[in-house]
Amino acid sequence: EPEVTQTPSHQVTQMGQEVILRCVPISNHLYFYWYRQILGQKVEFLVSFYNNEISEKSEIFDDQFSVERPDGSNFTLKIRSTKLEDSAMYFCATPGEAEQFFGPGTRLTVL
Amino acid sequence: GENVEQHPSTLSVQEGDSAVIKCTYSDSASNYFPWYKQELGKRPQLIIDIRSNVGEKKDQRIAVTLNKTAKHFSLHITETQPEDSAVYFCAANDAGGTSYGKLTFGQGTILTVHP
Repeated sequence: EPEVTQTPSHQVTQMGQEVILRCVPISNHLYFYWYRQILGQKVEFLVSFYNNEISEKSEIFDDQFSVERPDGSNFTLKIRSTKLEDSAMYFCATPGEAEQFFGPGTRLTVL
Repeated sequence: GENVEQHPSTLSVQEGDSAVIKCTYSDSASNYFPWYKQELGKRPQLIIDIRSNVGEKKDQRIAVTLNKTAKHFSLHITETQPEDSAVYFCAANDAGGTSYGKLTFGQGTILTVHP
Protein backbone atom coordinates (compact mmCIF):
# COMPACT_ATOMS: atom_id res chain seq x y z
CA GLU A 1 0.00 0.00 0.00
CA PRO A 2 1.42 3.42 -0.95
CA GLU A 3 2.44 5.48 2.02
CA VAL A 4 1.25 9.03 2.53
CA THR A 5 1.97 10.55 5.91
CA GLN A 6 0.58 13.71 7.44
CA THR A 7 1.65 15.77 10.42
CA PRO A 8 0.43 16.74 12.90
CA SER A 9 -2.40 14.30 13.47
CA HIS A 10 -4.24 16.92 15.51
CA GLN A 11 -3.72 20.68 15.63
CA VAL A 12 -5.51 23.00 18.02
CA THR A 13 -5.21 26.72 17.37
CA GLN A 14 -6.77 30.02 18.30
CA MET A 15 -8.87 31.90 15.78
CA GLY A 16 -6.71 34.26 13.73
CA GLN A 17 -3.56 32.19 14.09
CA GLU A 18 -1.62 30.68 11.20
CA VAL A 19 -1.35 26.91 10.85
CA ILE A 20 0.78 24.77 8.59
CA LEU A 21 -0.25 21.22 7.78
CA ARG A 22 2.31 18.87 6.29
CA CYS A 23 2.12 15.90 3.97
CA VAL A 24 4.72 13.53 2.60
CA PRO A 25 3.22 11.78 -0.43
CA ILE A 26 4.33 8.84 -2.51
CA SER A 27 7.99 9.31 -3.27
CA ASN A 28 8.74 11.57 -6.22
CA HIS A 29 5.10 11.91 -7.16
CA LEU A 30 4.34 15.10 -9.08
CA TYR A 31 0.58 15.17 -8.42
CA PHE A 32 -0.82 16.13 -5.09
CA TYR A 33 -4.23 17.09 -3.72
CA TRP A 34 -5.65 18.63 -0.54
CA TYR A 35 -9.19 17.89 0.59
CA ARG A 36 -11.23 19.05 3.57
CA GLN A 37 -13.93 17.22 5.51
CA ILE A 38 -15.98 19.13 8.06
CA LEU A 39 -17.22 16.78 10.80
CA GLY A 40 -20.15 14.71 9.58
CA GLN A 41 -20.02 16.10 6.06
CA LYS A 42 -18.63 15.06 2.70
CA VAL A 43 -15.05 15.27 1.50
CA GLU A 44 -14.46 18.51 -0.41
CA PHE A 45 -11.70 19.27 -2.91
CA LEU A 46 -9.48 22.23 -2.04
CA VAL A 47 -6.54 22.32 -4.44
CA SER A 48 -4.44 20.23 -6.78
CA PHE A 49 -0.73 20.72 -7.18
CA TYR A 50 1.32 19.49 -10.12
CA ASN A 51 5.01 19.89 -10.68
CA ASN A 52 5.33 22.67 -8.10
CA GLU A 53 2.36 24.68 -9.32
CA ILE A 54 -1.33 24.89 -8.45
CA SER A 55 -3.23 23.24 -11.29
CA GLU A 56 -6.75 23.70 -9.97
CA LYS A 57 -8.43 25.15 -6.90
CA SER A 58 -11.96 25.25 -5.53
CA GLU A 59 -13.99 28.19 -4.29
CA ILE A 60 -13.08 27.16 -0.75
CA PHE A 61 -9.39 27.76 -1.48
CA ASP A 62 -9.42 31.53 -1.01
CA ASP A 63 -6.59 33.95 -0.28
CA GLN A 64 -6.11 32.69 3.25
CA PHE A 65 -4.93 29.33 1.90
CA SER A 66 -1.63 28.55 0.23
CA VAL A 67 0.27 25.40 -0.75
CA GLU A 68 3.99 24.94 -1.10
CA ARG A 69 6.59 22.32 -1.67
CA PRO A 70 9.35 23.67 0.57
CA ASP A 71 11.73 20.85 -0.30
CA GLY A 72 11.82 17.90 -2.64
CA SER A 73 9.55 15.65 -0.63
CA ASN A 74 6.96 17.22 1.61
CA PHE A 75 4.04 19.50 0.81
CA THR A 76 2.40 22.05 3.06
CA LEU A 77 -1.04 23.63 3.34
CA LYS A 78 -0.98 26.95 5.11
CA ILE A 79 -4.00 28.74 6.52
CA ARG A 80 -2.93 32.30 7.28
CA SER A 81 -5.65 33.49 9.64
CA THR A 82 -7.79 30.63 10.87
CA LYS A 83 -11.52 30.97 11.36
CA LEU A 84 -13.87 28.83 13.41
CA GLU A 85 -15.29 27.34 10.21
CA ASP A 86 -11.84 26.06 9.23
CA SER A 87 -12.23 23.34 11.86
CA ALA A 88 -12.19 20.11 9.88
CA MET A 89 -10.15 17.09 8.85
CA TYR A 90 -7.64 17.93 6.15
CA PHE A 91 -6.49 15.10 3.90
CA CYS A 92 -3.73 15.10 1.35
CA ALA A 93 -3.95 12.59 -1.48
CA THR A 94 -1.88 11.36 -4.37
CA PRO A 95 -2.93 9.31 -7.39
CA GLY A 96 -1.50 5.82 -7.58
CA GLU A 97 -1.74 3.17 -10.24
CA ALA A 98 -5.07 1.96 -8.97
CA GLU A 99 -6.52 4.69 -6.78
CA GLN A 100 -6.26 8.18 -5.39
CA PHE A 101 -4.72 7.39 -2.04
CA PHE A 102 -5.55 9.48 1.01
CA GLY A 103 -3.26 10.24 3.92
CA PRO A 104 -4.43 9.69 7.51
CA GLY A 105 -5.49 13.33 7.84
CA THR A 106 -4.90 16.22 10.23
CA ARG A 107 -7.73 17.20 12.53
CA LEU A 108 -7.71 20.99 12.84
CA THR A 109 -9.62 22.52 15.72
CA VAL A 110 -9.98 26.30 15.77
CA LEU A 111 -11.08 27.76 19.11
CA GLY B 1 -18.67 21.90 -12.32
CA GLU B 2 -19.51 18.37 -11.34
CA ASN B 3 -22.20 17.68 -8.76
CA VAL B 4 -22.65 14.26 -7.19
CA GLU B 5 -25.79 13.37 -5.27
CA GLN B 6 -25.88 10.29 -3.02
CA HIS B 7 -28.80 8.43 -1.44
CA PRO B 8 -29.77 7.32 1.10
CA SER B 9 -27.99 9.34 3.79
CA THR B 10 -28.46 6.49 6.29
CA LEU B 11 -29.06 2.79 5.70
CA SER B 12 -29.73 0.18 8.34
CA VAL B 13 -29.76 -3.54 7.48
CA GLN B 14 -29.64 -6.88 9.22
CA GLU B 15 -26.53 -8.99 8.95
CA GLY B 16 -26.71 -11.10 5.80
CA ASP B 17 -28.99 -8.70 3.94
CA SER B 18 -27.94 -6.71 0.89
CA ALA B 19 -27.29 -2.97 0.86
CA VAL B 20 -27.58 -0.64 -2.12
CA ILE B 21 -26.32 2.93 -2.29
CA LYS B 22 -27.03 5.13 -5.30
CA CYS B 23 -25.32 8.16 -6.78
CA THR B 24 -26.07 10.47 -9.65
CA TYR B 25 -23.67 12.84 -11.34
CA SER B 26 -24.18 15.89 -13.51
CA ASP B 27 -21.10 16.13 -15.76
CA SER B 28 -21.32 13.79 -18.74
CA ALA B 29 -17.52 14.09 -19.10
CA SER B 30 -16.97 12.19 -15.83
CA ASN B 31 -15.44 8.81 -16.52
CA TYR B 32 -14.00 7.48 -13.27
CA PHE B 33 -16.23 6.54 -10.32
CA PRO B 34 -14.61 5.29 -7.11
CA TRP B 35 -16.33 4.23 -3.92
CA TYR B 36 -14.64 4.92 -0.60
CA LYS B 37 -15.31 3.46 2.83
CA GLN B 38 -14.53 5.65 5.82
CA GLU B 39 -14.48 4.41 9.37
CA LEU B 40 -14.80 6.87 12.22
CA GLY B 41 -11.76 9.13 12.44
CA LYS B 42 -9.97 7.36 9.60
CA ARG B 43 -9.01 8.12 6.02
CA PRO B 44 -11.33 7.31 3.11
CA GLN B 45 -10.23 3.97 1.65
CA LEU B 46 -11.05 2.79 -1.83
CA ILE B 47 -13.19 -0.35 -1.94
CA ILE B 48 -14.06 -0.51 -5.62
CA ASP B 49 -14.14 1.71 -8.68
CA ILE B 50 -15.54 1.65 -12.18
CA ARG B 51 -14.59 3.38 -15.37
CA SER B 52 -17.00 4.62 -18.00
CA ASN B 53 -16.14 1.92 -20.51
CA VAL B 54 -17.57 -0.74 -18.19
CA GLY B 55 -21.15 -1.23 -17.02
CA GLU B 56 -20.53 -3.45 -14.03
CA LYS B 57 -17.66 -4.59 -11.85
CA LYS B 58 -17.63 -7.10 -9.03
CA ASP B 59 -15.17 -7.92 -6.26
CA GLN B 60 -16.38 -10.69 -3.95
CA ARG B 61 -19.35 -9.27 -1.99
CA ILE B 62 -19.10 -5.81 -3.53
CA ALA B 63 -20.31 -4.74 -6.94
CA VAL B 64 -20.74 -1.44 -8.73
CA THR B 65 -22.98 -0.69 -11.70
CA LEU B 66 -22.82 2.31 -14.00
CA ASN B 67 -25.49 3.73 -16.29
CA LYS B 68 -23.83 6.42 -18.38
CA THR B 69 -27.02 7.39 -20.17
CA ALA B 70 -28.85 8.09 -16.94
CA LYS B 71 -25.66 9.33 -15.24
CA HIS B 72 -26.00 7.20 -12.17
CA PHE B 73 -23.96 4.50 -10.50
CA SER B 74 -24.66 2.22 -7.56
CA LEU B 75 -22.80 0.23 -4.92
CA HIS B 76 -24.14 -3.18 -4.01
CA ILE B 77 -22.96 -5.05 -0.93
CA THR B 78 -24.25 -8.59 -0.49
CA GLU B 79 -24.21 -10.76 2.64
CA THR B 80 -23.50 -7.76 4.81
CA GLN B 81 -21.44 -8.18 7.96
CA PRO B 82 -21.17 -5.93 11.06
CA GLU B 83 -17.69 -4.90 9.96
CA ASP B 84 -19.24 -3.37 6.83
CA SER B 85 -20.69 -0.66 9.11
CA ALA B 86 -19.07 2.64 8.08
CA VAL B 87 -19.68 5.74 5.99
CA TYR B 88 -19.56 5.12 2.25
CA PHE B 89 -18.82 7.87 -0.27
CA CYS B 90 -19.18 7.82 -4.01
CA ALA B 91 -17.06 10.14 -6.13
CA ALA B 92 -16.42 11.10 -9.74
CA ASN B 93 -13.77 12.72 -11.88
CA ASP B 94 -13.17 13.40 -15.58
CA ALA B 95 -9.49 12.45 -15.78
CA GLY B 96 -9.66 9.92 -18.60
CA GLY B 97 -10.70 7.02 -16.42
CA THR B 98 -7.74 7.38 -14.08
CA SER B 99 -7.39 8.25 -10.41
CA TYR B 100 -5.76 11.55 -11.38
CA GLY B 101 -7.70 14.78 -11.17
CA LYS B 102 -9.89 16.20 -8.45
CA LEU B 103 -12.57 13.96 -7.04
CA THR B 104 -16.07 15.30 -6.44
CA PHE B 105 -17.71 13.40 -3.60
CA GLY B 106 -21.28 12.58 -2.73
CA GLN B 107 -22.68 13.42 0.69
CA GLY B 108 -22.03 9.98 2.15
CA THR B 109 -24.18 7.12 3.43
CA ILE B 110 -23.96 5.87 6.99
CA LEU B 111 -24.38 2.09 6.75
CA THR B 112 -25.22 0.21 9.93
CA VAL B 113 -25.28 -3.59 9.86
CA HIS B 114 -27.06 -5.09 12.87
CA PRO B 115 -25.89 -8.53 14.07
